[in-house]
Amino acid sequence: AQKVTQAQTEISVVEKEDVTLDCVYETRDTTYYLFWYKQPPSGELVFLIRRNSFDEQNEISGRYSWNFQKSTSSFNFTITASQVVDSAVYFCAYYNAGKSTFGDGTTLTVKP
Amino acid sequence: EAQVTQNPRYLITVTGKKLTVTCSQNMNHEYMSWYRQDPGLGLRQIYYSMNVEVTDKGDVPEGYKVSRKEKRNFPLILESPSPNQTSLYFCASSSTPAGLFPDTQYFGPGTRLTVL
Repeated sequence: AQKVTQAQTEISVVEKEDVTLDCVYETRDTTYYLFWYKQPPSGELVFLIRRNSFDEQNEISGRYSWNFQKSTSSFNFTITASQVVDSAVYFCAYYNAGKSTFGDGTTLTVKP
Repeated sequence: EAQVTQNPRYLITVTGKKLTVTCSQNMNHEYMSWYRQDPGLGLRQIYYSMNVEVTDKGDVPEGYKVSRKEKRNFPLILESPSPNQTSLYFCASSSTPAGLFPDTQYFGPGTRLTVL
């Protein structure tokens, strides 16, 4: 069975600091997909990024960047120059053939 | 507007009283799924459906039933709810053509269920 581990339960930073959220997964599948979602205090789930297992190209989108390393089974997420509005719970998720496995989430608090 | 809707949004019920939480999407998505979210446990998949009349168990299916008679609807049925099913439930849908890169899942607003 697949497993997704987000070892950081809570992170607190001061605005403008950079912060990295870790995600490690376990699988025997050769083809799979990874996602990051954000859940702000309002409760909705917001898609951030997706990656497939064949694409290890890192990606930058504004203040967000993702580092996917298949060799270490990690898919880490970095927020540069964090803002108060980034405060949320962030989930890493694994998907293959209909089955989804989410990590337990990392609660990020950005203080002004 | 493309969306996933869930009803009801909030529900308080008693042990053993059958209930149904409806989920509907207007994006013609093949894939739909139900999750429950409990504090500190992230989202756990209950059931999913790859297409009409095709459903399969997720990680925590016990005590739940689903059906997929139409593409747009995927109701979650609790035949005899118990207090340990008190949780926040999310429905999601996705365009997931077989063998191709799945789209992101679009989530409904959530249903907060309390079973007394």
